Amino acid sequence: QKEVEQNSGPLSVPEGAIASLNCTYSDRGSQSFFWYRQYSGKSPELIMSIYSNGDKEDGRFTAQLNKASQYVSLLIRDSQPSDSATYLCAVNIWQAGTALIFGKGTTLSVSS
Amino acid sequence: GAVVSQHPSWVICKSGTSVKIECRSLDFQATTMFWYRQFPKQSLMLMATSNEGSKATYEQGVEKDKFLINHASLTLSTLTVTSAHPEDSSFYICSARKTGLAEATEAFFGQGTRLTVV
Repeated sequence: QKEVEQNSGPLSVPEGAIASLNCTYSDRGSQSFFWYRQYSGKSPELIMSIYSNGDKEDGRFTAQLNKASQYVSLLIRDSQPSDSATYLCAVNIWQAGTALIFGKGTTLSVSS
Repeated sequence: GAVVSQHPSWVICKSGTSVKIECRSLDFQATTMFWYRQFPKQSLMLMATSNEGSKATYEQGVEKDKFLINHASLTLSTLTVTSAHPEDSSFYICSARKTGLAEATEAFFGQGTRLTVV
């Protein structure tokens, strides 16, 4: 069974701090990994994608992937109140047409 | 990024009626589209995979006769909720991935449809 696990939170951090979001997955065949941000009542929007082990940085966001340990994380530096949202981890098996499997999401709250 | 348009964004219907939701890829072709459902404070749950020109593949527990999916072209998939009941009230979201790429890419999401059955 393909599963993606996330701590539902809420994760509360003060403005300017680093927020760390974690995700584990069960299927070793997973090849592509994504972090989506979802505001209440809206559809998800892509934040980061990562395909190989290591770190990938994009602005204030850094995704980290460790396939041996089957985890992927997202770091948000200099957190802003506008970052307050639910962050969804999603994985995809290397096969055309396969849907993304989502975790339940971690709710992040950044206080000013 | 690619654009996926979903319509309507919200709908209220009476119990027992049917509702059709459209999902269009505006600037790319999508052989495969995906339909998700999300209840409040829960994650996206995959309902079915819509394949252009063939039958949809439904996830376990999803009634194919209740949630009719049609993917008649490379840019349009529709989800029809038949004989809707209050428990079908949810946020329905479609997504699509670009066709023909060797590398697995991210999914692009429609805006979602908030269905309320009264």
